[in-house]
Amino acid sequence: EPEVTQTPSHQVTQMGQEVILRCVPISNHLYFYWYRQILGQKVEFLVSFYNNEISEKSEIFDDQFSVERPDGSNFTLKIRSTKLEDSAMYFCASPPEGGGDEQFFGPGTRLTVL
Amino acid sequence: AQKVTQAQTEISVVEKEDVTLDCVYETRDTTYYLFWYKQPPSGELVFLIRRNSFDEQNEISGRYSWNFQKSTSSFNFTITASQVVDSAVYFCALSEVTSNTGKLIFGQGTTLQVKP
Repeated sequence: EPEVTQTPSHQVTQMGQEVILRCVPISNHLYFYWYRQILGQKVEFLVSFYNNEISEKSEIFDDQFSVERPDGSNFTLKIRSTKLEDSAMYFCASPPEGGGDEQFFGPGTRLTVL
Repeated sequence: AQKVTQAQTEISVVEKEDVTLDCVYETRDTTYYLFWYKQPPSGELVFLIRRNSFDEQNEISGRYSWNFQKSTSSFNFTITASQVVDSAVYFCALSEVTSNTGKLIFGQGTTLQVKP
């Protein structure tokens, strides 16, 4: 299975701070996604990103969130002014190389807001 | 509106038992995709299967099998001769073609515990 990587694996931050979560999706793919999973709950869609633009975002993805592609391969999810309820596992996902409708997920970043 | 329902919150079986995980979905699209993912205790999400709405053929892969029934909007997953390593949370998910982005809509998940 192709690999999607994410860093860091665990991020602890103080409420009100900004965090940046990083993802390297499957190479050469134009689509990628961010999802969130609050502990013990279902996986929720945050945002999809296609060809350097946001293609769709959920209600969760408000002005506190932003996504960027700072270079040719890395994608970032920035959360400004973190709140306690932002504590969750954040996954990025990418379709397989060569295309396909399934998504392969990275190992996730566990964000803990204190 | 699109929705995925996994009514079974937790299932506990003894090793070697067969177990079926239920998934019911709602969509207005005529073209869509259904998926199952496994989330072991380590936390990663592992892709198991994709099925498109035009293909109602059941699929078997080793001890895993999937039963897609469009008439009842269900996409159930059966594990035959369960093993302790099957213990995980299993998520069913839906992707609608008209969304044009491929986003996945997940069910609440079913926690499967297989006891030795």
